Amino acid sequence: ELKVEQNPLFLSMQEGKNYTIYCNYSTTSDRLYWYRQDPGKSLESLFVLLSNGAVKQEGRLMASLDTKARLSTLHITAAVHDLSATYFCAVDRYASGTYKYIFGTGTRLKVLA
Amino acid sequence: DSGVTQTPKHLITATGQRVTLRCSPRSGDLSVYWYQQSLDQGLQFLIQYYNGEERAKGNILERFSAQQFPDLHSELNLSSLELGDSALYFCASSVDGDGNEQFFGPGTRLTVL
Repeated sequence: ELKVEQNPLFLSMQEGKNYTIYCNYSTTSDRLYWYRQDPGKSLESLFVLLSNGAVKQEGRLMASLDTKARLSTLHITAAVHDLSATYFCAVDRYASGTYKYIFGTGTRLKVLA
Repeated sequence: DSGVTQTPKHLITATGQRVTLRCSPRSGDLSVYWYQQSLDQGLQFLIQYYNGEERAKGNILERFSAQQFPDLHSELNLSSLELGDSALYFCASSVDGDGNEQFFGPGTRLTVL
């Protein structure tokens, strides 16, 4: 069964600091996605990671994928208040005619000034 | 503004009723996805359509159905509503159905009383 775990669930950090959010998944997957959701708002797609060793960066966010460890990380560099949001990872997988697309529980990030 | 529109924004109805949620994708996008977000279940992928055809099915209940029309807009029909169906329903669109970046609509908040 495909399961996705994120940690931490809550993260409070000071502006200017670095931190990493972890996303573990239980079985082989096809793609890994990262999303951002502001309170009361919709989702925003951040990254789609397709292959082992993939790294993508946008501003202060960098996502990487290790398919052997079944682990993706979202690294935040020199956090700013505007990064406060909930971050979700998700994985999908086609296998034996069945499609699964599973989200993690989300990491609620609060950046303190 | 993602370019994806959803109507209505809010919907309040009673148990046992049927509702239809509508989604218009970004211009040029062929694929539409539906998601449900609730406090109990978190984020769940429901179903994906590509150019009018069902492409992938997730945790969509038998009481729910969807379709994508020739003009590429999509509708999600929810019937025999239960209290537990109260949630935010998002649609998203992408250029194709192959794991590319998805653009999310603002969501429809459904309350079942």
